[in-house]
Amino acid sequence: KAGVTQTPRYLIKTRGQQVTLSCSPISGHRSVSWYQQTPGQGLQFLFEYFSETQRNKGNFPGRFSGRQFSNSRSEMNVSTLELGDSALYLCASCCGSATGELFFGEGSRLTVL
Amino acid sequence: AQKITQTQPGMFVQEKEAVTLDCTYDTSDPSYGLFWYKQPSSGEMIFLIYQGSYDQQNATEGRYSLNFQKARKSANLVISASQLGDSAMYFCAMGAGGYNKLIFGAGTRLAVHP
Repeated sequence: KAGVTQTPRYLIKTRGQQVTLSCSPISGHRSVSWYQQTPGQGLQFLFEYFSETQRNKGNFPGRFSGRQFSNSRSEMNVSTLELGDSALYLCASCCGSATGELFFGEGSRLTVL
Repeated sequence: AQKITQTQPGMFVQEKEAVTLDCTYDTSDPSYGLFWYKQPSSGEMIFLIYQGSYDQQNATEGRYSLNFQKARKSANLVISASQLGDSAMYFCAMGAGGYNKLIFGAGTRLAVHP
């Protein structure tokens, strides 16, 4: 069974640009959530999508957005990049059950110059 | 507010010995879940073990066990018979009011010495 796939794995952008990250969940999983990991702030929840609807949202500015497609694949977008957006962005997929473990991908490491 | 506290920034253990990684939590939700993840240098978060707030027994998964003390709001991870491959960051996390939104602790870096 294929795991969670995130693309791209590494990318470098400059301030002011925008970036789109992709996450393909485990087959059959309908929930996709996104996390940002930085050395200073640790792991922080960005948002969660379930059946194409945003179900939860963390405390991030509107520059961070996401969406989910009918095949459960999800994208997140960060517009007007800032240096502080440099981070590892992790995607997790889940079954949707209350006792489900979240399966994480390997992450997309974004560097903003 | 929900919070996870991991007070050990770094730990080391000798190979084949057991080690306990501490985690305390705070939540007003009566129903919640506690998770432990391992993150090697590659960055991937690897699920280790889960404990539900209503579970009567402590969770175990192979060499991993979760010492759940509800009254003390602690959920310590015990790794038995440590292996060199256990060297990694370990994160405690809590899900409440919607289990797919996790609150993470700051993590503990474990080093296993031969």
